[in-house]
Amino acid sequence: DSGVTQTPKHLITATGQRVTLRCSPRSGDLSVYWYQQSLDQGLQFLIQYYNGEERAKGNILERFSAQQFPDLHSELNLSSLELGDSALYFCASSGRGTPSGNTIYFGEGSWLTVV
Amino acid sequence: SQQGEEDPQALSIQEGENATMNCSYKTSINNLQWYRQNSGRGLVHLILIRSNEREKHSGRLRVTLDTSKKSSSLLITASRAADTASYFCATTTGGGNKLTFGTGTQLKVEL
Repeated sequence: DSGVTQTPKHLITATGQRVTLRCSPRSGDLSVYWYQQSLDQGLQFLIQYYNGEERAKGNILERFSAQQFPDLHSELNLSSLELGDSALYFCASSGRGTPSGNTIYFGEGSWLTVV
Repeated sequence: SQQGEEDPQALSIQEGENATMNCSYKTSINNLQWYRQNSGRGLVHLILIRSNEREKHSGRLRVTLDTSKKSSSLLITASRAADTASYFCATTTGGGNKLTFGTGTQLKVEL
């Protein structure tokens, strides 16, 4: 158990809909990351938050947005869903230790299927 | 985009044998981490090696890093059926801590 908790574990929704994925980082971790894993793109970095502020942005679509709340949990919002958004979405966290040498721990992921 | 390429893409060995996976990357890194993923499950952190380190051990795992060749290898000794999984290398670069993943090696350990 990595200590990173993601909900829901599985989600099936229709095209055009909006969903919210939730993540609780490991206790004490200030950084939260979101990744997408799909068969064609592999593991792709989406976005990072550090203590409530956006820190880095990757291949995140404009239809997607995220935020980190004062209690450090994070949500990834996916809207106007398309079939191609079907993927495994991971949350990860880090924050203990030195900034450049942080181990990053992943949750079990949220399986999103768009039909 | 993928930073790393892993080799081989797939590897099948017998239980008790050693498994070696290689990872190559393109740019200078801060550190390199190896992860394991069982089918459809979460990513489990295995080991982190910093750019100024050359070798690191953790149990049956041995990781080497050659920054001059921009490559790393993961050796699993005395493999077990439970080691069957996909293995990914991931690097961090620049001032940030985001991971850029390789394409992964699918390891199958047969009884």
